[in-house]
Amino acid sequence: AQKVTQAQTEISVVEKEDVTLDCVYETRDTTYYLFWYKQPPSGELVFLIRRNSFDEQNEISGRYSWNFQKSTSSFNFTITASQVVDSAVYFCALSGDPYSGAGSYQLTFGKGTKLSVIP
Amino acid sequence: NAGVTQTPKFQVLKTGQSMTLQCAQDMNHEYMSWYRQDPGMGLRLIHYSVGAGITDQGEVPNGYNVSRSTTEDFPLRLLSAAPSQTSVYFCASRVKRGGFTGELFFGEGSRLTVL
Repeated sequence: AQKVTQAQTEISVVEKEDVTLDCVYETRDTTYYLFWYKQPPSGELVFLIRRNSFDEQNEISGRYSWNFQKSTSSFNFTITASQVVDSAVYFCALSGDPYSGAGSYQLTFGKGTKLSVIP
Repeated sequence: NAGVTQTPKFQVLKTGQSMTLQCAQDMNHEYMSWYRQDPGMGLRLIHYSVGAGITDQGEVPNGYNVSRSTTEDFPLRLLSAAPSQTSVYFCASRVKRGGFTGELFFGEGSRLTVL
């Protein structure tokens, strides 16, 4: 069974601080995919990034960066110089090997981390 | 640019009533799914479908029915609503093509309250 753990339920930071959101996953698949989604107060779910298990390069997109470490089964998300607009709930998710059956197309989500950026 | 469209956005039901949440996508995605979101619980999968005529249960299927008669539509039926089904429901779809795993595209959500 797949599992995603986001141990931080809520985080508050002051604007311009850096913040890291943790994500730890469990899977028996050797091929899998990891995702991050953002849910702002308006409620929609916004896709941020997809990473496959064969690509351990870290990725940076503007103020966002992701650190994928297979050795620790972690896919952490860092926001640099946080802004009020970053206030949202962030979800980490896991999808399995697409060749292992229909169930592999499911995304298993963590419970989310609520980030509050205080001006 | 419709993407995934859910209706209604808001609904209030009385215990025991039935209703259908509609979901349609115009991206020709084979995979469609329904999630419910409850405070502190994240998103939990209710049912999913990998193509027309094929559906399967997710983590929390009890009290819900689905069908998939076309690629575009994936309605979620509440047979006899209960207060425990008060939640925000999201429909989502993604490409299912060989080894390619794309991201889920979500609808805007439907907020259901059962009194």
